[in-house]
Amino acid sequence: QKEVEQDPGPLSVPEGAIVSLNCTYSNSAFQYFMWYRQYSRKGPELLMYTYSSGNKEDGRFTAQVDKSSKYISLFIRDSQPSDSATYLCAMTGGNQFYFGTGTSLTVIP
Amino acid sequence: EAGVVQSPRYKIIEKKQPVAFWCNPISGHNTLYWYLQNLGQGPELLIRYENEEAVDDSQLPKDRFSAERLKGVDSTLKIQPAELGDSAVYLCASSLGTAETQYFGPGTRLLVL
Repeated sequence: QKEVEQDPGPLSVPEGAIVSLNCTYSNSAFQYFMWYRQYSRKGPELLMYTYSSGNKEDGRFTAQVDKSSKYISLFIRDSQPSDSATYLCAMTGGNQFYFGTGTSLTVIP
Repeated sequence: EAGVVQSPRYKIIEKKQPVAFWCNPISGHNTLYWYLQNLGQGPELLIRYENEEAVDDSQLPKDRFSAERLKGVDSTLKIQPAELGDSAVYLCASSLGTAETQYFGPGTRLLVL
């Protein structure tokens, strides 16, 4: 079993839709949870960073962590064509750092 | 504040040739990472440095890959000799410390012919 599982997609939605991206994990030692956005031919860019269970909101983005279920989500409201990218979840704890494989998202105008 | 700087951005070489990548982390970041990313995959850790010490190199293919971080700042990743399967993007990242948020450079895209 992989440490982090992420559906690779691809995911295609119309502009304005709500997007839900998810990852599951198996290691209870993970304490910090991140979402990175990666545009084509660019390095990953930190989007959201959370520590505990619950929700964290930043503009159109909401990160949700459920430690009891070992499940994290990223919601994008009012999605825009500029949101088209690959979204990588990442998590760390106990000196371990793991990335998901990424979900490719396309927002169609 | 300048981000993580990597060079070159692109490199095309023939198999069996050597190649080197350079990374300058964010100022003050003690931890430096080298990752390999294949198309459609997440980054895979090759080596992690705490200052000048390589603390996790378990995934580094040591028969052909080497890395160094002199003076605990800039780092170089080398492949000698390169193989066709080494074609990928090599990403450098840095963080204030282990388990802290990582910030990535733009990567070096390597093509081995």
